[in-house]
Amino acid sequence: DIALTQFPDSLAVSLGERATINCKSGQSLFYSSNNRNYLAWYQHKPGQPPKLLIYWASTREFGVPDRFSGSGSGTDFTLTISSLQPEDVAVYYCHQYYTTPDTFGQGTRLEIK
Amino acid sequence: EVQLVESGGGLVPPGGSLRLSCAASGFTLSLYWMHWVRQVPGKGLLWVSRINSDGMTTDYADSVKGRFTISRDNAKNTVYLQMNSLRADDTAVYYCVRSRGSGFDWGQGTLVTVSS
Repeated sequence: DIALTQFPDSLAVSLGERATINCKSGQSLFYSSNNRNYLAWYQHKPGQPPKLLIYWASTREFGVPDRFSGSGSGTDFTLTISSLQPEDVAVYYCHQYYTTPDTFGQGTRLEIK
Repeated sequence: EVQLVESGGGLVPPGGSLRLSCAASGFTLSLYWMHWVRQVPGKGLLWVSRINSDGMTTDYADSVKGRFTISRDNAKNTVYLQMNSLRADDTAVYYCVRSRGSGFDWGQGTLVTVSS
């Protein structure tokens, strides 16, 4: 199984400031035949299902605010929220769909400082 | 609008069985692989099982292999998870998930509690 390790486990950021969450994979998620990284990011709020934010490591899902961005390739990936808003308080997960079984990072809890 | 509505969760004693259902709407179910993912309250997300679009290929996490069976009825727009020999560590919210091949769309989830 491909292990995904997120860091930090929790993060407190002031409103309007940048939040950065990292995800490291135990093996490359880059598929050279289509030049894509098989990694997604989700936002998970209590009582709601996870919400897809980013796929192919850097493609923003339709309707997701442009303050959310994804970057990275191979084994190292980053989710950045450029200007934290109150509604961004949540747990964030990375997810690899490169191979079965799909695996998730352990989650990063984002709070307001 | 894509909708995935799970049902069938509840309280069951250790060793018991449950069948979860996932009613899909807003898209053509027969075109998509479908998965189940679970989350122990307060913990992370764990992939459980998947089934291909015509139901002929299935995969399972090692922790549920031999106990859980995923199936689908595309004519009824429904995906199922038959869970047998349930254990306390199967207690979780179970999410029905549509795979786009580029990430997941999620149902609201149904809580399964295994306890005597």
